[in-house]
Amino acid sequence: GAVVSQHPSRVICKSGTSVKIECRSLDFQATTMFWYRQFPKKSLMLMATSNEGSKATYEQGVEKDKFLINHASLTLSTLTVTSAHPEDSSFYICSARWGNSYEQYFGPGTRLTVT
Amino acid sequence: AQSVTQLGSHVSVSEGALVLLRCNYSSSVPPYLFWYVQYPNQGLQLLLKYTTGATLVKGINGFEAEFKKSETSFHLTKPSAHMSDAAEYFCAVSSPSGGGADGLTFGKGTHLIIQP
Repeated sequence: GAVVSQHPSRVICKSGTSVKIECRSLDFQATTMFWYRQFPKKSLMLMATSNEGSKATYEQGVEKDKFLINHASLTLSTLTVTSAHPEDSSFYICSARWGNSYEQYFGPGTRLTVT
Repeated sequence: AQSVTQLGSHVSVSEGALVLLRCNYSSSVPPYLFWYVQYPNQGLQLLLKYTTGATLVKGINGFEAEFKKSETSFHLTKPSAHMSDAAEYFCAVSSPSGGGADGLTFGKGTHLIIQP
């Protein structure tokens, strides 16, 4: 089946620094990748949609200058949290789909803790 | 705009009993509907999905769900609960867009507890 990986699985960074999270589709070409954020005991919230080779589309309320998304290839998307603050601490999950498929395949998530 | 409502943030059933997790949605267009399961500190695993066709869909691990348009519901059931079913369950909706589907809108999740 389709496999999506994320790296790192956990990261701790200091306030004011930036951290990059990678999302890779291992056995298929992901024309579209999605980034979600999950707060403790809360649902997942769609942050942005990225299509390979084009700029990401951000959901309302998500700061595009703070959460930089790059989808430079059909197998890799990155989310960079810039100038991280403790309120950015969360579980970030990516998903990927190919072509016009309705199904998304989820990565295992990245736990970000900002101290 | 789409939304998903999951009734009951926690559901507790005895091992061997029926599992029923409720999901209602709102969508201005025919929806695609999904149920996902999440184990602690892990990503999401797809249980089942409805896109078109048969309204009763069967998924993995003995789960099934029925799309009822008139009730805007997509409740998840399993005849006999197993201890390994204890997890967080999310109902989600998306809409067909340009031949594919948009990002998912999730419900708040239901934590399923299995009593021995």
